Amino acid sequence: EPEVTQTPSHQVTQMGQEVILRCVPISNHLYFYWYRQILGQKVEFLVSFYNNEISEKSEIFDDQFSVERPDGSNFTLKIRSTKLEDSAMYFCASSEEQSRRDTQYFGPGTRLTVL
Amino acid sequence: QQPVQSPQAVILREGEDAVINCSSSKALYSVHWYRQKHGEAPVFLMILLKGGEQKGHEKISASFNEKKQQSSLYLTASQLSYSGTYFCGTALTGGGNKLTFGTGTQLKVEL
Repeated sequence: EPEVTQTPSHQVTQMGQEVILRCVPISNHLYFYWYRQILGQKVEFLVSFYNNEISEKSEIFDDQFSVERPDGSNFTLKIRSTKLEDSAMYFCASSEEQSRRDTQYFGPGTRLTVL
Repeated sequence: QQPVQSPQAVILREGEDAVINCSSSKALYSVHWYRQKHGEAPVFLMILLKGGEQKGHEKISASFNEKKQQSSLYLTASQLSYSGTYFCGTALTGGGNKLTFGTGTQLKVEL
């Protein structure tokens, strides 16, 4: 069964450093998303991406964040200068455009730890 | 505004039933239910669209009351594997709209 994959599974970085989180969405999906979950809290929407551009972003997704689809398979989230409060689990998700039900399938996540 | 889930936590003995509710103050297009085990990604359970549908998946079913903007997840004859945190995610429109998640309901099933 197709699934969303993410790398790395765990990333440790120093405050102020840049990180890139990578995702490979399900191959026939056209909508892509990033969510994050701070330990013990709910899942929060960051950004959605369709047709090579951002379709919606939350207030969390400020100028320090960017997304890119560099090729036909990868979808990346970049944090330019990490802060302590960026420590969280980051989930990538994808969904089909044609499906009326718009089910979003989540990847296994990348745990980001900012020291 | 995030949906409100209730209860916040519930403990069941194996075989017991549970209902988890998810309410929104906004008119919803769809409600998505996920289960998340500790340290893992949310796993999709089911989706309900506006129109007041109800659907089932083995011993887990759900309903969506469009008039009340409330969805309920029904877990019957619970199993140990049902333990986890259940989140509802709500979408205001279709076509790749973001999901806004509730704060979750922690479910623990004991022997």
